[in-house]
Amino acid sequence: DVVMTQSPLSLAVTLGQPASISCRSSQSVVNSDGDTYLNWFQQRPGQSPRRLFYKVSNRDSGVPDRFSGSGSGTDFTLEISRVEAEDVGVYYCMQGSHWPYTFGQGTKLEVK
Amino acid sequence: EVTLLESGGGLVQPGGSLRLSCAASGFNFSDTAMSWVRQIPGKGLEYISAITTSGDGAFYPDSMKGRFTVSRDNSKNTFYLQMDSLRVEDTAIYYCLTYSLKSWGQGALVTVSS
Repeated sequence: DVVMTQSPLSLAVTLGQPASISCRSSQSVVNSDGDTYLNWFQQRPGQSPRRLFYKVSNRDSGVPDRFSGSGSGTDFTLEISRVEAEDVGVYYCMQGSHWPYTFGQGTKLEVK
Repeated sequence: EVTLLESGGGLVQPGGSLRLSCAASGFNFSDTAMSWVRQIPGKGLEYISAITTSGDGAFYPDSMKGRFTVSRDNSKNTFYLQMDSLRVEDTAIYYCLTYSLKSWGQGALVTVSS
């Protein structure tokens, strides 16, 4: 199975400051069709996960543009340019290129 | 608006069985592949199954094969997860979602305990 490793596992960021979460896979998550099915999710306290990005950098509707996704191959990054109070929660990366699909451990974001 | 509503969760003894249902609305269910993901309370997410639009193809990680069975009834816009030989470590919130990962249900809590 592809192991997804996130870092850091927790992050405390001052309001208005940037945040960055890394996600590394144990093997390339480029699918045989040439696409990279790397997704990012946000899970706010008490809520179901919500997808933020698909295929690395495609932002879902309703996701603020202060969020960005980037990367390729085995290294991916979720960045928040200016953290807001509503960004508190746990962020997960997930690869959907190789079965079984696998998630990272999650990164807990707190706002100072 | 896409809505996914899980039901059937609850308390079950080790070795027992439980069937979760997921009622879908707001989209063309019969044209949409579906999935289940679970989350041990306070822990991370685990992808546990996927099923094709017609239901003729179902996929499980090796760790789930033989105990979990996914199915669907397109005439009822409903999707199911049959869980057998349940273990304490299967205690989790079970989410149904579209295969695209875009839409998630609110989750159903399954507790396996004696």
